[in-house]
Amino acid sequence: DTAVSQTPKYLVTQMGNDKSIKCEQNLGHDTMYWYKQDSKKFLKIMFSYNNKELIINETVPNRFSPKSPDKAHLNLHINSLELGDSAVYFCASTRRGEDGEQYFGPGTRLTVT
Amino acid sequence: SQQGEEDPQALSIQEGENATMNCSYKTSINNLQWYRQNSGRGLVHLILIRSNEREKHSGRLRVTLDTSKKSSSLLITASRAADTASYFCATDAGSYNTDKLIFGTGTRLQVFP
Repeated sequence: DTAVSQTPKYLVTQMGNDKSIKCEQNLGHDTMYWYKQDSKKFLKIMFSYNNKELIINETVPNRFSPKSPDKAHLNLHINSLELGDSAVYFCASTRRGEDGEQYFGPGTRLTVT
Repeated sequence: SQQGEEDPQALSIQEGENATMNCSYKTSINNLQWYRQNSGRGLVHLILIRSNEREKHSGRLRVTLDTSKKSSSLLITASRAADTASYFCATDAGSYNTDKLIFGTGTRLQVFP
């Protein structure tokens, strides 16, 4: 069984469009994250939610809006896509207080043309 | 930037050789973790070392931590072609509240058969 899943795996879209990426974890974790990995493989945290509440927002443009309908899901909606948004986006989860080992999804490669 | 640095950026070795990767970080920590990322995949947790530990082993992996120098090393012994991947260190930046990880820049390891 997949622990952390993301859809879609690939997303190609034009500048100005709005798109969403979905993430689900079946590990019973209470904390979920979105990361952005750029072309140089730098991995940077964007958001973190704990029990559906936002706890980390790393000065990400407000075109990015995370939504957590329940603690097993954390979706990422991006408005007015720009070329610089092209990257691989990873969802991850952890159980708070357990040393912070994180479980990552397979990633969504977003290409904005 | 809080991001840690890893050294070397890339490493190529033959199967059977040992691979050593180094990580330096900037802030005090509670623990440091190492992750592996195979090409096109998400990150996978390898090993965690706490700030009061100096060395830890897991199978063919050996991790050391020197908090006075704010550095860690990951040694993979008797490498295999399947070890080919990027390796990242991650620190918690001393935070207990957010489970936020700060990732290093990564070392790309290539093991030739």
